[in-house]
Amino acid sequence: EDQVTQSPEALRLQEGESSSLNCSYTVSGLRGLFWYRQDPGKGPEFLFTLYSAGEEKEKERLKATLTKKESFLHITAPKPEDSATYLCAVQAGTGRSQGNLIFGKGTKLSVKP
Amino acid sequence: NAGVTQTPKFQVLKTGQSMTLQCAQDMNHNSMYWYRQDPGMGLRLIYYSASEGTTDKGEVPNGYNVSRLNKREFSLRLESAAPSQTSVYFCASRTGFGYNEQFFGPGTRLTVL
Repeated sequence: EDQVTQSPEALRLQEGESSSLNCSYTVSGLRGLFWYRQDPGKGPEFLFTLYSAGEEKEKERLKATLTKKESFLHITAPKPEDSATYLCAVQAGTGRSQGNLIFGKGTKLSVKP
Repeated sequence: NAGVTQTPKFQVLKTGQSMTLQCAQDMNHNSMYWYRQDPGMGLRLIYYSASEGTTDKGEVPNGYNVSRLNKREFSLRLESAAPSQTSVYFCASRTGFGYNEQFFGPGTRLTVL
């Protein structure tokens, strides 16, 4: 069964304290792995797509990496405005979920000044 | 460019009432999706439309119907609302070609009493 697990569920950091969020997955024929940011009361906002193991993408203080079984979202020197819930999703290439996104439950990040 | 828009933003229904959630996108995307988001459950796919004129069930379709009115618009109907349908509903769209991300609307918060 296609599945996405994110850890930790919640993460509290001090401003400037770097850390990583984990997304582990099992999927039939990975077509892509997606990271989204969601602020309270808003829709998910697209951050990155990763397609193959070894790929990395960066945007400001965020860097996403991908292996064959998991992805990491590294946050370097976070600021309070990075506080949000970060969602990971995979797109299956085969099977019942083919083409659709399967989401994890998210990691709620809080960055204190 | 408004992206994906949803109406209404908030709605309160009584058990047994019906309503339609509206979604429109101005990005000329082929595929459109309806999700629900519940605490601790993550985003779950209700229905999707891979292209104009087609609709398919997702993970949790029971109690819902959809209509792909044209390329821009995709509506979700609750024929007889139940308290279990209290949730936040998100519409999303993507181009439908290749491996690419979905863009989300701002959501509709629905409460069924």
